[in-house]
Parts: sequence; C-alpha cells; structure tokens
Amino acid sequence: DAGVIQSPRHEVTEMGQEVTLRCKPISGHDYLFWYRQTMMRGLELLIYFNNNVPIDDSGMPEDRFSAKMPNASFSTLKIQPSEPRDSAVYFCASRTNWDRERYFGAGTRLSVL
Amino acid sequence: GDSVTQMEGPVTLSEEAFLTINCTYTATGYPSLFWYVQYPGEGLQLLLKATKADDKGSNKGFEATYRKETTSFHLEKGSVQVSDSAVYFCALSDQAGGGADGLTFGKGTHLIIQP
Repeated sequence: DAGVIQSPRHEVTEMGQEVTLRCKPISGHDYLFWYRQTMMRGLELLIYFNNNVPIDDSGMPEDRFSAKMPNASFSTLKIQPSEPRDSAVYFCASRTNWDRERYFGAGTRLSVL
Repeated sequence: GDSVTQMEGPVTLSEEAFLTINCTYTATGYPSLFWYVQYPGEGLQLLLKATKADDKGSNKGFEATYRKETTSFHLEKGSVQVSDSAVYFCALSDQAGGGADGLTFGKGTHLIIQP
C-alpha cells in the first residue's frame, strides 16, 4: 500500500486566498484525522471522520476552516480566507476500526504571506 | 483530562551514547501508550507501543516499559546513531479499539545526534 497520500506537499499563498488541502487515506481504513503542527502549539487534532462522517470537529479553530470526506478514499481541508497565523504543517492520518495505531501522511507545509 | 508530559528538547548527544527521553502521563482509564517518531520532512511513524502495565515495547533498538505505578513510559536506546536524529512524541490512547478517537500527544522532543 502507498500509505496516506497528501497533496500538495508545499503551498504558498497570500492572505485572503482560499486554500484546499487533500488527503487519500489507506484503503480499508475507517477513520481519518486532520492535524495541525506548529512550533508554538505542537500537534493539534482538528477534526476526525469515521466512515466518512465527521465525529468531532471541536479542534477546528474557526469557521474559516472546513473539512469534508465525500467518500472513503478522499478528504479535503479548506481554509477560506487564509491568514498568516494559519501557516503550519497539516497532517492527515488514518486507521482501522480495530487498531489504535494511526498512519500519517507526509504533510502539507502551508505558508500564508 | 488526559495529558502527556515529555522532557523539553532539544536533546543533543554524541553517537553511541545512551538515550533516555522521559514521558509521564495522566489518564482516567487504562490507556495504551505509544512512541511516535518524526524524521525531518516526514509525517509521524509509530516506533513502539505497549497496551498494558509492565509491557515492554521495542523496535529498532528502542525500548519503553509501561510503568503504571509511576505513570511513565520512558524511551531508551543503548547506543544512538546519527540516523536517530528526529522528533519523538509520546502518546496515550484511553479508548477501546474501535471507539472514538482518544489519542493524546506530548509536545515532542527533538533529538540531535552528533557524529
């Protein structure tokens, strides 16, 4: 299996622009997670899905952030409008129903200028 | 709520030195414990885990023992290599397998190994 695939790997945008991050989980995995990593706050869970349904979005910082999972093999995290403080590395991860271990993608490094 | 506390970094060691990265936790239930490693430019990878008290997880020369009495899960390696340079995260999960997410990460410890 190719693992969790995220795109793009790097994104540079200007304040106010819309940003869309993409994730393809490992086939057969039932859970999908979106995390944000910064030096100041460490690793934060933003939202997670089970069987394509959002279960807990309490970590989403503001209404500017939204996430969707239209099917079992694809998820997006959208920021609209983006702000400089959104600059971070965003990770997607997935796991099965029966194993707590989660598998991380390589991340998207977002820079908002 | 649950929490994980790791030693602050960066930790700088010479090659072949002995490594200990401390991790302590607080949890309401009987958690599983994990160490994840993040190499530069990559995502987190599971390094080892332990699911019950006194279990020892081991992988790639790293070990950690689940100590319920001291609520600790310290990571150790007898002889580190330059390739071990990475950020190490301690984490706990107090949900039964198949349940809702309950994974709590520590802030990470940056390890630098010098030749």
